[in-house]
Amino acid sequence: EAQVTQNPRYLITVTGKKLTVTCSQNMNHEYMSWYRQDPGLGLRQIYYSMNVEVTDKGDVPEGYKVSRKEKRNFPLILESPSPNQTSLYFCASSLFSTGGYEQYFGPGTRLTVT
Amino acid sequence: GEDVEQSLFLSVREGDSSVINCTYTDSSSTYLYWYKQEPGAGLQLLTYIFSNMDMKQDQRLTVLLNKKDKHLSLRIADTQTGDSAIYFCAESTNTDKLIFGTGTRLQVFP
Repeated sequence: EAQVTQNPRYLITVTGKKLTVTCSQNMNHEYMSWYRQDPGLGLRQIYYSMNVEVTDKGDVPEGYKVSRKEKRNFPLILESPSPNQTSLYFCASSLFSTGGYEQYFGPGTRLTVT
Repeated sequence: GEDVEQSLFLSVREGDSSVINCTYTDSSSTYLYWYKQEPGAGLQLLTYIFSNMDMKQDQRLTVLLNKKDKHLSLRIADTQTGDSAIYFCAESTNTDKLIFGTGTRLQVFP
């Protein structure tokens, strides 16, 4: 089944404790992206990747890191999480870039930073 | 910069039509999309329209695009309770970014 998986689905952590949210897709998509969803703000793009070893900042990259060592995986790293990073995070992938191609979304990771 | 705006809530009676509106600011938009988010789930693409079109119909869904006013709408005919969800408008431009609106929560009541 074609899908985007994220782990964990729920995470509660404390300020400053490094964490990684994994994202994997099995559709051989080149483009992958991370978004955060906050009430009243919609989805905002954090980072995106056009292909292996190619990543770029989205609209809200501060406090986040990503890597794309393999085509299928695109982990999101929070080196020192803070409470303002409490949010719902989505990973997405598409065959190529955004133009006219459907973004397939993972189920989301709800992160709480205390 | 790019900005996409939507009203936050819409409530309709089952069987009526729903119209969800969206405005955007970037005139270089190439594609405009409607995504649906059901409770506890990720987003799913409903439909999209290329910027040189002004209308697209897909079963119960009709998308209207007014490029002059930078206005996009999604009409759902014969709205059902299963249509209750959050609907996001999004645009892509010449960059590799997809800009989402704030989302409109559609509530369908019997």
